[in-house]
Amino acid sequence: AQSVTQLDSQVPVFEEAPVELRCNYSSSVSVYLFWYVQYPNQGLQLLLKYLSGSTLVESINGFEAEFNKSQTSFHLRKPSVHISDTAEYFCAALGTGYGKLTFGQGTILTVHP
Amino acid sequence: DAGVIQSPRHEVTEMGQEVTLRCKPISGHDYLFWYRQTMMRGLELLIYFNNNVPIDDSGMPEDRFSAKMPNASFSTLKIQPSEPRDSAVYFCASSFGGRDVGELFFGEGSRLTVL
Repeated sequence: AQSVTQLDSQVPVFEEAPVELRCNYSSSVSVYLFWYVQYPNQGLQLLLKYLSGSTLVESINGFEAEFNKSQTSFHLRKPSVHISDTAEYFCAALGTGYGKLTFGQGTILTVHP
Repeated sequence: DAGVIQSPRHEVTEMGQEVTLRCKPISGHDYLFWYRQTMMRGLELLIYFNNNVPIDDSGMPEDRFSAKMPNASFSTLKIQPSEPRDSAVYFCASSFGGRDVGELFFGEGSRLTVL
């Protein structure tokens, strides 16, 4: 089984500032890792994923996440946020050989002008 | 593709009534998931299907909840009888199997209010 812990429930930042949303996981098997984003009144959307290979993965809108096996982390970062990045972000893990994702509790990112 | 389609988008009902939520997954996807989202509990997996067969229903709260997938293009989640604590947003999601199984495509959700 897997578990996912998002260390911050809310992260307020100012526009154009950098941001890091923290995610730790635990698993008895190898995992695939994901970040999903949920905008108000919408379903979740895949932001980026780590399956294998390069430990640094990027999204099309400037977010990146780094898989750190030794620290069992998959933190999400963006060097300069926009107002439109305001949303809730979910980290998720999928154990290889399993069919269901395990989601963290979510982090609400609020970008202030 | 139109994406995952859920209906109704909003449902307000009285305690004790039956509620049926519907989902049409993306064509060709072989996994279907039902989630519930509340402020208190966050995102909870209720049940998921693979090739129309229920694989894990351990998240279904109690016998009042049931889910079916009669074919690859339709699923229902039924609550009977409904209770105020069932008020939540219910999401349906679908995905391909294999390495893509973690890439879920979510519907816009059905917001249920039980009075």
